[in-house]
Amino acid sequence: GAGVSQSPSNKVTEKGKDVELRCDPISGHTALYWYRQSLGQGLEFLIYFQGNSAPDKSGLPSDRFSAERTGGSVSTLTIQRTQQEDSAVYLCASSLESLAGGGQYFGPGTRLLVL
Amino acid sequence: GENVEQHPSTLSVQEGDSAVIKCTYSDSASNYFPWYKQELGKGPQLIIDIRSNVGEKKDQRIAVTLNKTAKHFSLHITETQPEDSAVYFCAASGIGSSNTGKLIFGQGTTLQVKP
Repeated sequence: GAGVSQSPSNKVTEKGKDVELRCDPISGHTALYWYRQSLGQGLEFLIYFQGNSAPDKSGLPSDRFSAERTGGSVSTLTIQRTQQEDSAVYLCASSLESLAGGGQYFGPGTRLLVL
Repeated sequence: GENVEQHPSTLSVQEGDSAVIKCTYSDSASNYFPWYKQELGKGPQLIIDIRSNVGEKKDQRIAVTLNKTAKHFSLHITETQPEDSAVYFCAASGIGSSNTGKLIFGQGTTLQVKP
């Protein structure tokens, strides 16, 4: 079946511009997570959605970062006034359940480069 | 806060040999431990996971062991093949008070299998 999809696959933007990254989870998965992977680094948690609500936003690095999820499905991560340190791969994962023990399945990621 | 340490950072083995990657975690309340394989330019792929009520789990050539007392877990790959070459990440589910299932990742191990 279809896995997690993300768009765009690559994004190059200028410092100070806003960007939107999209995630389409596996159908029926209620939990959705955003992570960030900087060059040569591990994955860093950003935000978690259960349905349309975000009970855990603790990983968002600044107020320039926000995310929403509509219809319990597609999620959008928005970065305002991008900075060079925002350059990274942004990964989305979905899970059938949010409680610890539900496998998280990742999309291919969006590679963001801020010039 | 929650932390996962992973060793070694790089591992080179001959085809047919075994490979072992080790991780330790800090949060004694963690109870879910997945392993991911990430190939260049792709998102992480869930390859095996283990829950805290199990000490060992095996799936063909890969196995994971968990020692909750010592708070460490390991990935074992037997009869390695060149296609096993990738970056491997361990993770632990940091339950905390919100029980969101967010994953705390190790820094990754680059495995090279030489033909």
